[in-house]
Amino acid sequence: DIVMTQTPLSLSVTPGQPASISCKSSQSLLYSDGRTHLYWYLQKPGQSPQLLIYEVSNRFSGVPDRFSGSGSGTDFTLKISRVEAEDVGVYYCMQAIQLPLTFGGGTKVEIK
Amino acid sequence: EVQLVESGGGLVQPGGSLRLSCAASGFTFSNYWMHWVRQDPGKGLVWVSRLNGAGSSISYADSVKGRFTISRDNAKNTLYLQMNGLRPEDTAVYYCGSQADCSSSACYINWGQGILVTVSA
Repeated sequence: DIVMTQTPLSLSVTPGQPASISCKSSQSLLYSDGRTHLYWYLQKPGQSPQLLIYEVSNRFSGVPDRFSGSGSGTDFTLKISRVEAEDVGVYYCMQAIQLPLTFGGGTKVEIK
Repeated sequence: EVQLVESGGGLVQPGGSLRLSCAASGFTFSNYWMHWVRQDPGKGLVWVSRLNGAGSSISYADSVKGRFTISRDNAKNTLYLQMNGLRPEDTAVYYCGSQADCSSSACYINWGQGILVTVSA
């Protein structure tokens, strides 16, 4: 199974300040078709995971442009340019290049 | 807009059975691969099972193989998870997810709102 390792475990951010989350996979997520199957989700308190970013850097419909994803191969980053109060929750990376789908352990983002 | 609504959860005794349903709308259900994942209370996400659009390609996590059965009814736009031989460690919120065919489009997965399954005496 592909192991997804996220850091840090938690972040406390002042509104308006940036935040960055790292995700590393134990194997390359680059598929033979040239796409990289790394996804980012945000699980707000009491809700299900909602898609933010697909295939490393593509924002899902309706996701604010303060969210951006980058990386390649096995190293990936989610950045929030200016954190807002509504961004609190747990962020997960997920790989979908092979089964079983596997998720990072999550990064809890709180507002200072 | 993709909508996935799970139902059928609840409290069941160890060794018992439950059937979860996932009603889908907002997309062409038969063209999508469908997944189940679960989340232990306060913990992370764990993949459970996957089924292709035709229902002919099925995969399970080792932890549920032989006990859980995934299926779909494309006429009813509904995904199912039959869970037999339930154990306390199966206690979790279960989410269904829809994934477009990766060969023809971006194949991200959207998750439903989840349903709680509690296995306890």
